[in-house]
Amino acid sequence: GENVEQHPSTLSVQEGDSAVIKCTYSDSASNYFPWYKQELGKRPQLIIDIRSNVGEKKDQRIAVTLNKTAKHFSLHITETQPEDSAVYFCAATKEAAGNKLTFGGGTRVLVKP
Amino acid sequence: SQTIHQWPATLVQPVGSPLSLECTVEGTSNPNLYWYRQAAGRGLQLLFYSVGIGQISSEVPQNLSASRPQDRQFILSSKKLLLSDSGFYLCAWSTETGISGYTFGSGTRLTVV
Repeated sequence: GENVEQHPSTLSVQEGDSAVIKCTYSDSASNYFPWYKQELGKRPQLIIDIRSNVGEKKDQRIAVTLNKTAKHFSLHITETQPEDSAVYFCAATKEAAGNKLTFGGGTRVLVKP
Repeated sequence: SQTIHQWPATLVQPVGSPLSLECTVEGTSNPNLYWYRQAAGRGLQLLFYSVGIGQISSEVPQNLSASRPQDRQFILSSKKLLLSDSGFYLCAWSTETGISGYTFGSGTRLTVV
């Protein structure tokens, strides 16, 4: 089955700096890659996703890039703010998997004011 | 619009007691439904998923079971709780067709004492 590795496990950045989280996946047939943000004690919420026919997608301060050849994808947060502090999860799936997402282990991001 | 309800929000149960967590989805038909568990400070572990009434797939052998008695109702149960069953339980839904991100419920924090 699919295996998703996520790095780093923790990330501390100064407010205003950029944060980058990287994920690798094992199944070359995976074609959908969402990112979730989970604030302390809350549910994970979808913040951005990318499909395999696209190399990059942006939404205001967040962007995701996908390298299908290398089987890795990354989340980029620019101009970080204290409210960006949370745990971020990447995930991957493919059509044949019945939309079962395989999640990475999570990255705890702390934005220091 | 679609909404997902999950209850209770918190639960403290003694070892050996039964468990029933309920999740319902509104505003959609034939959703895919999922139960995830998140141990403290850890990632998301898929426990069960369902593509239709009475259709349950188990991802990991465990002390828990799931049922889907109605199209938009998903129940997580246990006959006898173990200490290791403590965690944050999340229900989620996705559309039945294609691949897409999940919408998670608000979660149940279960503490087995």
